[in-house]
Amino acid sequence: SQQGEEDPQALSIQEGENATMNCSYKTSINNLQWYRQNSGRGLVHLILIRSNEREKHSGRLRVTLDTSKKSSSLLITASRAADTASYFCATEGNNRLAFGKGNQVVVIP
Amino acid sequence: DAGITQSPRHKVTETGTPVTLRCHQTENHRYMYWYRQDPGHGLRLIHYSYGVKDTDKGEVSDGYSVSRSKTEDFLLTLESATSSQTSVYFCAISDGSGVPDTQYFGPGTRLTVL
Repeated sequence: SQQGEEDPQALSIQEGENATMNCSYKTSINNLQWYRQNSGRGLVHLILIRSNEREKHSGRLRVTLDTSKKSSSLLITASRAADTASYFCATEGNNRLAFGKGNQVVVIP
Repeated sequence: DAGITQSPRHKVTETGTPVTLRCHQTENHRYMYWYRQDPGHGLRLIHYSYGVKDTDKGEVSDGYSVSRSKTEDFLLTLESATSSQTSVYFCAISDGSGVPDTQYFGPGTRLTVL
């Protein structure tokens, strides 16, 4: 089954800086999704990129997808303390999602 | 949390006891999922349902069973809890009406098996 794997695992940045995290997967995909999880909460869907797309924007989020390298990156620009969370990529197949292990991002005010 | 509730939110139980976790949705979504989340493992799918009485196994289904007798409720049962089942359990839903499909998650249940 497809499995996302994020890299790096933990990131600590100053407020206002950009945060970049990466995800790799093993098999072909239809789309790749990114989710955020605040401490003690459930996951929240952030953005989806289809396999025929290379880049997608949503507010301060920018996602890229390189299907030749089987990898994706999530960029959060001008980070805020409220962006402190874990971020997960997930690949979809047969109405099921396969999640990576997550990136912990801490934004220091 | 998109009309999804989980109960209980916290539970401490002893090894060998049965445990049932409940997921309730008000969105009338077709698909429901149970995941467990453990440090170093991310989220792993336990079981999922694609309709009333229609369920299938995920990647870590051993020791778990599920039931879905109504669209809105999806139950996860640990027949005889073990310490390795100490985890945070999340329920998720999706409407399955098209591809791609995004999932909406409940607040989670923290289960401790002593």
